[in-house]
Amino acid sequence: SQTIHQWPATLVQPVGSPLSLECTVEGTSNPNLYWYRQAAGRGLQLLFYSVGIGQISSEVPQNLSASRPQDRQFILSSKKLLLSDSGFYLCAWSVGTSGARTQYFGPGTRLLVL
Amino acid sequence: DQQVKQNSPSLSVQEGRISILNCDYTNSMFDYFLWYKKYPAEGPTFLISISSIKDKNEDGRFTVFLNKSAKHLSLHIVPSQPGDSAVYFCAARNSGGSNYKLTFGKGTLLTVNP
Repeated sequence: SQTIHQWPATLVQPVGSPLSLECTVEGTSNPNLYWYRQAAGRGLQLLFYSVGIGQISSEVPQNLSASRPQDRQFILSSKKLLLSDSGFYLCAWSVGTSGARTQYFGPGTRLLVL
Repeated sequence: DQQVKQNSPSLSVQEGRISILNCDYTNSMFDYFLWYKKYPAEGPTFLISISSIKDKNEDGRFTVFLNKSAKHLSLHIVPSQPGDSAVYFCAARNSGGSNYKLTFGKGTLLTVNP
């Protein structure tokens, strides 16, 4: 069966510091991968998605970036965190080239920027 | 522009009764709809989905109804159980856009009282 891992579970970082969140998927090949953010009191906002190694699509202009160095690894980064980057970051995966219908989410990383 | 709207931020029901969660959408190009359930500090869990060619899909205690003319869908939970207490997100896929993106509502917090 497929599983998705995210780490760390919780992170407290000062403003201006760098960020690296990692997501890995097991039990499937060539998944579509996604990064979402849920800010306090808001819905799920799609940040990035990837349909293959090295292929990244950005949804929202911001100081975050994403990379996919391996088939089942997705990394979210920032060079300098802002207070507004605080939130709950979720990685998700799906399969299928004809349209990714159901996405399956990881456990999430809670980021607090102080 | 919010294309998927969950106008009720919260709902409270008694155990054993029916819970009805509502979702409205504005984009007529949406062709697939999903409901996710989310507990605090966890990632969303896929619950049930429906294609736009159907008007009802049932899975155990969960039934999703779709009214395309009204651009409205609802999730019925019968009977409601305390373990159903969570935030429920409605999501939709745009057939005219990227096959990889889902648009989420802001969620409804369901509380089932014993």
